[in-house]
Amino acid sequence: RKEVEQDPGPFNVPEGATVAFNCTYSNSASQSFFWYRQDCRKEPKLLMSVYSSGNEDGRFTAQLNRASQYISLLIRDSKLSDSATYLCVVRGGNEKLTFGTGTRLTIIP
Amino acid sequence: DAGVIQSPRHEVTEMGQEVTLRCKPISGHNSLFWYRQTMMRGLELLIYFNNNVPIDDSGMPEDRFSAKMPNASFSTLKIQPSEPRDSAVYFCASSPHSVYEQYFGPGTRLTVT
Repeated sequence: RKEVEQDPGPFNVPEGATVAFNCTYSNSASQSFFWYRQDCRKEPKLLMSVYSSGNEDGRFTAQLNRASQYISLLIRDSKLSDSATYLCVVRGGNEKLTFGTGTRLTIIP
Repeated sequence: DAGVIQSPRHEVTEMGQEVTLRCKPISGHNSLFWYRQTMMRGLELLIYFNNNVPIDDSGMPEDRFSAKMPNASFSTLKIQPSEPRDSAVYFCASSPHSVYEQYFGPGTRLTVT
């Protein structure tokens, strides 16, 4: 079983719609959780951290469910510029980050 | 502010040749990470350094791969000899002390023919 699993997509969503991704992780001792965004042929960049109580950043909402070991990302009122690959990232007990293989999102005009 | 700098941005080489990838982390960051990204396997950690010391190299695929960090502002990843299956994008990332966000460089796209 992979340490971090994501649905690869692609998700093709009309502009203005709401879209949600889930991610599951296998190590119950994982300590930190993140969503990174990667544009085509570019480097990954941090989108947001994921906190136990859930957190929101503008149109983006992240949730963590430790009991079920999954993380979610919700994007409301999607924009064309949201088209990218979204990487679920988990940190264990040290500085190492484990990346999921990503979910590809395309926003359609 | 300068981000993580990697060179070269693109490298095309023939099988059997030595390849050296270079990275300059963000000034003041004390952790440095080398990743490899392919379509099949996604983003994989190869090795990381803390204060110039290699901490975990368990992701280095085999002895053909080696990495060094002679000082806080420079690291290299070397592949000798290179093979076609090494073709990938290699990213370098850095992070400050006790902060887990990693800042990635633009990557080196390596093609081994």
